[in-house]
Order: sequence, then C-alpha cells, then structure tokens
Amino acid sequence: NAGVTQTPKFRVLKTGQSMTLLCAQDMNHEYMYWYRQDPGMGLRLIHYSVGEGTTAKGEVPDGYNVSRLKKQNFLLGLESAAPSQTSVYFCASSPYREFSYNSPLHFGNGTRLTVT
Amino acid sequence: LAKTTQPISMDSYEGQEVNITCSHNNIATNDYITWYQQFPSQGPRFIIQGYKTKVTNEVASLFIPADRKSSTLSLPRVSLSDTAVYYCLVGSYGGSQGNLIFGKGTKLSVKP
Repeated sequence: NAGVTQTPKFRVLKTGQSMTLLCAQDMNHEYMYWYRQDPGMGLRLIHYSVGEGTTAKGEVPDGYNVSRLKKQNFLLGLESAAPSQTSVYFCASSPYREFSYNSPLHFGNGTRLTVT
Repeated sequence: LAKTTQPISMDSYEGQEVNITCSHNNIATNDYITWYQQFPSQGPRFIIQGYKTKVTNEVASLFIPADRKSSTLSLPRVSLSDTAVYYCLVGSYGGSQGNLIFGKGTKLSVKP
C-alpha cells in the first residue's frame, strides 16, 4: 500500500514552459487535493476534486489547471510557468470531505518546483 | 472556518512532555479539531482529532475544555524524532468544503 505518490520529486522549469504533476493514490479515496507550500505561508489549496470527473477551485487556482479522469489520479498542470509558482506542491486524498470525522488527509511527499 | 492561533515555535528536551495549545475562539458547534505533524521534506501527517473532552491514541493526547475555545496537543516523553511542525485545524464538513487552511503551525525543536 503506497498511499499517495507524487511524481516527479524535483523539477526545474524556465519561465513560460509547461509541465504536469502527477498524483496517484491507491486507497480508493473519493477526495483529492493539490496544495502549495511556501516559506512562511503554510499550505494553500490550489484545486480539489470530490470524485472522478469533477474538479473545483481552491484558494489560489490562478495559473493552474487540474484533471481527474481516473479516480486514483489527480493531475496538476502549469501551462506557462512563472517564477511566482516556485514552491513545494503537495497532493492529498481523503475518503470523505475534509473535516469529516475520521477522514484525515493523506499527503504525498511533495514535488519541489523551481521556475527560473 | 474558525481561525486558529498557535505559538510559532517551542523548544523541549528529550523525555519531557510537550503541550502545544491552540486557540480557536470562533469554533462552531459542528467543528472538529484536528492536528497534523509535518517533518522536513514530507507532507503533513494526521496525528489526532477530537470534538470535546479528551482523546488519546498511540501517538498523542488531545485535551479540549468544555467551552472548546482552545485545545492542547500533548506529546508524552518526546524524542529527537518528534522535531517537526505541528498544525492545528478547526472545521466541519458542513462548512466551506475545500478550504482547509493549515496556517504556519508550531515548530517544535527537541534537543538531546
């Protein structure tokens, strides 16, 4: 049982380049989330999904797109990377809505992205 | 979501009990209190969750007074491996879904 797996672990992009971050979970969770973590800012929600084929915006969605074509996968795309998107990106999943009792978030180990 | 306030940092020594208090004055009736732990270069990890009184598991205890305006995470006999950032979160599934806010957390440093 791998839990939540994120690929790649590290990536360096030049401004304007595009890339896709992949998140995979093997726990059959309905809910999946993408967060970014910046120094002194805590974690901020980018987009989330409440089930296969659905996505919704979080707190900081601009510059990102997501897709959830399969229940176990949640993809985060950057169409035209900017230096402000330099951050550590975390994917998470949960069986039910966050804050539901006994529905903790399970996080991956993150992707460190640098945009030059 | 109820706003939470935690100390930015705490220091302790191995073998001591550590108590981290979180204030959440605007907690709503349906809100649960959840704590996460984050080690460097890793994602946050669920520690414990509670609604009122006391909850204990193999990792920690969570104390919640009757008015629920604060909560205390208690780590018994900490070791160096407990050095991490601890986040307190308050909310309920009936609230704003998809707006989980971790804040800055409490950076716990355990010294030998």
